[in-house]
Amino acid sequence: HVQLQESGPGLVKPSETLSLTCAVSGFSISSGYYWGWIRQPPGKGLEWIGSIYHSGSTYDNPSLKSRVTMSVDTSKNQFSLNLNSVTAADTAVYYCARRGSGFPQSIDYWGQGILVTVSS
Amino acid sequence: DIQMTQSPSSLSASVGDRVTITCRASQSIINYLNWYQQQPGEAPKLLIYAASSLQSGVPSRFSGSGSGTDFTLTISSLQPEDFATYFCQQSYSTLPTFGGGTKVEIK
Repeated sequence: HVQLQESGPGLVKPSETLSLTCAVSGFSISSGYYWGWIRQPPGKGLEWIGSIYHSGSTYDNPSLKSRVTMSVDTSKNQFSLNLNSVTAADTAVYYCARRGSGFPQSIDYWGQGILVTVSS
Repeated sequence: DIQMTQSPSSLSASVGDRVTITCRASQSIINYLNWYQQQPGEAPKLLIYAASSLQSGVPSRFSGSGSGTDFTLTISSLQPEDFATYFCQQSYSTLPTFGGGTKVEIK
C-alpha cells in the first residue's frame, strides 16, 4: 500500500525559504512515476507546483518564477521541495503526490497535506 | 496553460438524486481528463481517470464521459458520503491544471 507523508515547518517568515520533505512507503521511488507537489490556499483550488523523476529531472510551474527547487533521495525513498522568497500568497496546504509517467498521468496517491503559513 | 472551467461551482442535492458536473478545457485535451473528490480536511482522491475509467475501489455510481474539450462527471444516485468537492484535472500538458471545483451540498 503506497503512502506519502509530508513533513516540515508549519510557519515560515516572509522572504525566507519554505522546505518540505515527502517520505514514501510501500513503493520505491526508483521504480518510476513522477513525484510532485501541489498546493491549495485556504478555501481555494489546487495548483500544481512541480514534479521530479527518480533520475532527478524536474519540471516546475512557470508561474512560480523559478523560486522552486526539488530534489530526490532514493536511498531514503523521499523527495523534497524548496520554495524561496515566500510571501503571504504562498500560505497553503501543501500536498506531495504520485503522478503516472504514462497515459493518462493521473495523480493516484496523495499525502495528507501540511498547512504552511507565511507570517512574521 | 490549459484552463479548466467547471460548472456549477456549487450545487444542492438530496440523497438519491442524479448529479452531473461539467468541465470544459480551453483546448482539446483528447481524454487526458481526471476527476477527484475532496472531503473537508482531506487530500483529494482519484475517482475517474482518462475521462471515463473508474479508479479501483470507487463505487460504480460514479461515471465520467466526454472527449476533446467537454467532459462530465455523473453520480447516478447521490449517497451521504458523496457530499464533497469535486475537481477535474487535465494531464494533457506538461503543466497539469485543475478546475475550480464543484461543492456538492445537502439540500
